Amino acid sequence: QVQLVESGGGVVQPGASLRLSCVVSGFTFSTYAMHWVRQAPGKGLEWVAVITYDGSNKYYADTVKGRFTISRDNSKNTLYLQMNSLTSEDTALYYCGRKGSAGGWYFPFLDYWGQGTLVTVYS
Amino acid sequence: QSVLTQPPSASGTPGQTVTISCSGSSSNIGFNDVYWYQQLPGMAPKLLIYKNNQRPSGVPDRFSGSKSGTSASLAISGLRSEDEADYYCAAWDETLDGGVFGGGTPLTVL
Repeated sequence: QVQLVESGGGVVQPGASLRLSCVVSGFTFSTYAMHWVRQAPGKGLEWVAVITYDGSNKYYADTVKGRFTISRDNSKNTLYLQMNSLTSEDTALYYCGRKGSAGGWYFPFLDYWGQGTLVTVYS
Repeated sequence: QSVLTQPPSASGTPGQTVTISCSGSSSNIGFNDVYWYQQLPGMAPKLLIYKNNQRPSGVPDRFSGSKSGTSASLAISGLRSEDEADYYCAAWDETLDGGVFGGGTPLTVL
């Protein structure tokens, strides 16, 4: 069955960096675009970034552009989110999700989600 | 302030039909497909509707989606206690060049 497992979250100070990972199984990772979505405590969902199946194209939310980098290693079935210059506004549960097989490759159509990894930024 | 506007709350009694709206603009809903997600308390979101009105396998036909112009709606018929959750709409925004979610609508089953 399809599984997505995020890791790498933690408690960091403002200005720090973190790299999140999302290891997938149960499907051919290299043929699917992938998303990151986050949810601040008690708040709604916020789309973060999307990457093509081969890593050749990416889009980012304005709130993270220039600070976050989405990437993937298809040989390791792993999606990444490198987060730099973290602020308290980045405190959230970060979910990775598989892009479903319909519509534009970048559409926020996530047919499978992980359970999330928590990032807390505070001083 | 979310790009897609949803009502701050919704409620209904068991067996009723509840509708949740999602209002956008010509750069998102008016141009692209709409997706709906259900988030049960303490759980990850789950896809409910894709491409405006398509249900993934396993989603009961009590859930239906529609789109007209720059607005979309999610209808839940035969309301059940287990439908109590937060519901989110989502679309791609051509102006922002990014995905956008509605603010979410918590549904209470009275």
